[in-house]
Amino acid sequence: DVKVTQSSRYLVKRTGEKVFLECVQDMDHENMFWYRQDPGLGLRLIYFSYDVKMKEKGDIPEGYSVSREKKERFSLILESASTNQTSMYLCASSPFNQPQHFGDGTRLSIL
Amino acid sequence: QQQVKQSPQSLIVQKGGISIINCAYENTAFDYFPWYQQFPGKGPALLIAIRPDVSEKKEGRFTISFNKSAKQFSLHIMDSQPGDSATYFCAAALNNAGNMLTFGGGTRLMVKP
Repeated sequence: DVKVTQSSRYLVKRTGEKVFLECVQDMDHENMFWYRQDPGLGLRLIYFSYDVKMKEKGDIPEGYSVSREKKERFSLILESASTNQTSMYLCASSPFNQPQHFGDGTRLSIL
Repeated sequence: QQQVKQSPQSLIVQKGGISIINCAYENTAFDYFPWYQQFPGKGPALLIAIRPDVSEKKEGRFTISFNKSAKQFSLHIMDSQPGDSATYFCAAALNNAGNMLTFGGGTRLMVKP
């Protein structure tokens, strides 16, 4: 079974903090993705990566950055957290031309 | 601007009934249309997917109907069960299944016993 593991289920941070969300997949997938999920808006893509050290902006990259130093790990970084970044964050991975597999999400609250 | 519009936002169906969720897309270059199912506290999981070269795909009680000319596709859940109660998302992708997905807003389905 494919396993996509997100390091935290719940996270509470303060405005202005630098926040790191970690995601690890154990299936040697080339592609990795970060989405945020908000009620009524579905999932919106923040960033994705097709290979180590490669990254592409998604639909809503503002206020976020990513890092992929190893194939199995994809990190989402909130440079200076703001209250409008309170959301559920979902990581996904996929082999080339195969469906995405999702982690169980990190619910992030920015106070 | 949402490129994939999903309706309804919520749906209540009696056990044994048919659940129908509709999606419409704008970009005619989309060529992969998956449906994901999400239970509370879990990430979305792929349920069923279709490509535009077929008009229907069935897997068990789940069927996707696809209308290319109308740029619409829908999920039908036959003989709906309480265990089907979840949030359902349609999505669309360009070029291949592993590419970035554009999601609809989601439908929260409740199946009453």
